[in-house]
Amino acid sequence: GAVVSQHPSRVICKSGTSVKIECRSLDFQATTMFWYRQFPKQSLMLMATSNEGSKATYEQGVEKDKFLINHASLTLSTLTVTSAHPEDSSFYICSATVRDGYTFGSGTRLTVV
Amino acid sequence: GEDVEQSLFLSVREGDSSVINCTYTDSSSTYLYWYKQEPGAGLQLLTYIFSNMDMKQDQRLTVLLNKKDKHLSLRIADTQTGDSAIYFCAETVVPGGSYIPTFGRGTSLIVHP
Repeated sequence: GAVVSQHPSRVICKSGTSVKIECRSLDFQATTMFWYRQFPKQSLMLMATSNEGSKATYEQGVEKDKFLINHASLTLSTLTVTSAHPEDSSFYICSATVRDGYTFGSGTRLTVV
Repeated sequence: GEDVEQSLFLSVREGDSSVINCTYTDSSSTYLYWYKQEPGAGLQLLTYIFSNMDMKQDQRLTVLLNKKDKHLSLRIADTQTGDSAIYFCAETVVPGGSYIPTFGRGTSLIVHP
C-alpha cells in the first residue's frame, strides 16, 4: 500500500534552534500533505495543509513563520520548526491522501530542551 | 460543525471482544474511519465505512454505523495483547464540508493477559 516515510522519528534540540521534519511518499505522488500535532492523550490537531508547488494553508492559531512548510516536489513535504521552544515539544505527524482515505507517517517526537 | 467524541479508556481481557464507541455530530458525514496508533507511532488505517452502509466486517473487525443516532462502533473479536493501542475515530464530510478528517480524542485499549 501507499507509504509515507517520516524522518526523524525522534529529535532533541536546544531552545532557539530550528528542526526540520521530512515526509516522503514512497510509492505514490502526494500533491497534498497534511501536518498534524498531537499532545499527550489528545487527538490530532491539524496544523496546515501542504500543496505541491504552492503556499501551505495554515489553520487558525498556527504561526506560519514559526512552522515553515515546504512542498517543493510531489514526493516530499517538510515542516521546519523555527526558533524552537520547550512548548513546541510534541509529536508531529504528516499524512497524505490516498485512494481509501489517508496514510500517515510514523511521526516525529520533538523534545526541545 | 464537525465534532467527534470517544470514551478515553477501555480495558478487556485477552480473548474477549472489545467494542469501541464513537459519536459524531455532522449528519452529512460521508466517510467514517477507524485508525490504530501504537505508542510513538503514526496512525494506521484499520477500516472505514461509507455513510450509506450499516455494517462492514473485515476479519476480526466489525464496524457498525447507526446513522439515526450518529453512532459508530468498532468491535474487535478475540482481542489480543497486540491490539493494545489507541484507536481513533474520524469523519470526513464531502461535499459541502472539509474533506480533511476530524478526529476524536482516541480510546486507549488495554488488553490484559
